[in-house]
Amino acid sequence: AQSVAQPEDQVNVAEGNPLTVKCTYSVSGNPYLFWYVQYPNRGLQFLLKYITGDNLVKGSYGFEAEFNKSQTSFHLKKPSALVSDSALYFCAVRSTGFQKLVFGTGTRLLVSP
Amino acid sequence: GAVVSQHPSRVICKSGTSVKIECRSLDFQATTMFWYRQFPKQSLMLMATSNEGSKATYEQGVEKDKFLINHASLTLSTLTVTSAHPEDSSFYICSARPGLASTGELFFGEGSRLTVL
Repeated sequence: AQSVAQPEDQVNVAEGNPLTVKCTYSVSGNPYLFWYVQYPNRGLQFLLKYITGDNLVKGSYGFEAEFNKSQTSFHLKKPSALVSDSALYFCAVRSTGFQKLVFGTGTRLLVSP
Repeated sequence: GAVVSQHPSRVICKSGTSVKIECRSLDFQATTMFWYRQFPKQSLMLMATSNEGSKATYEQGVEKDKFLINHASLTLSTLTVTSAHPEDSSFYICSARPGLASTGELFFGEGSRLTVL
């Protein structure tokens, strides 16, 4: 079975500071990992993905994520947060051979001025 | 990136009526589309996988007769909430993946907020 855990309901960070949103996963095969962002009353926007290769993945809006196989983690990071980064962030996983994408419960990021 | 259009963005209906939500892939063909439901402050729950030209695959606990899914073409899937009741009020989001590669990311519509009075 596939599952994703986002242990933090909310992350607060001051503008200009680095941010990390945590994600751990569990799959039976090789994982395909994704991060999405959702603004209020909107659909999800794709940020980045890990399929294979370099463990550090760079995505949209300056976000990056590091795949750590031993810790089964895929934390989202950004060196310098912006107020406009405030949104709901979802981590998702799919394993090879499965079409379904399983989402975590989401982490609300609040960036204060 | 690829564009998925969802319509309507908001709909209010009376209890007992049916509501249709459309999901279109604007610049790619999608043999498979996915329908999700999102409750307030909660994650996305996969309702069903919509397959072009065949029956949808529903997740456990999702009523097939309540949530009718039709995938008539490679660019259009529809979700019809039949005999809607207040408990069906929710945010419904569709998604699709361009191409046949299983490694591709999903692209999401903007969502449809259904309110049943």
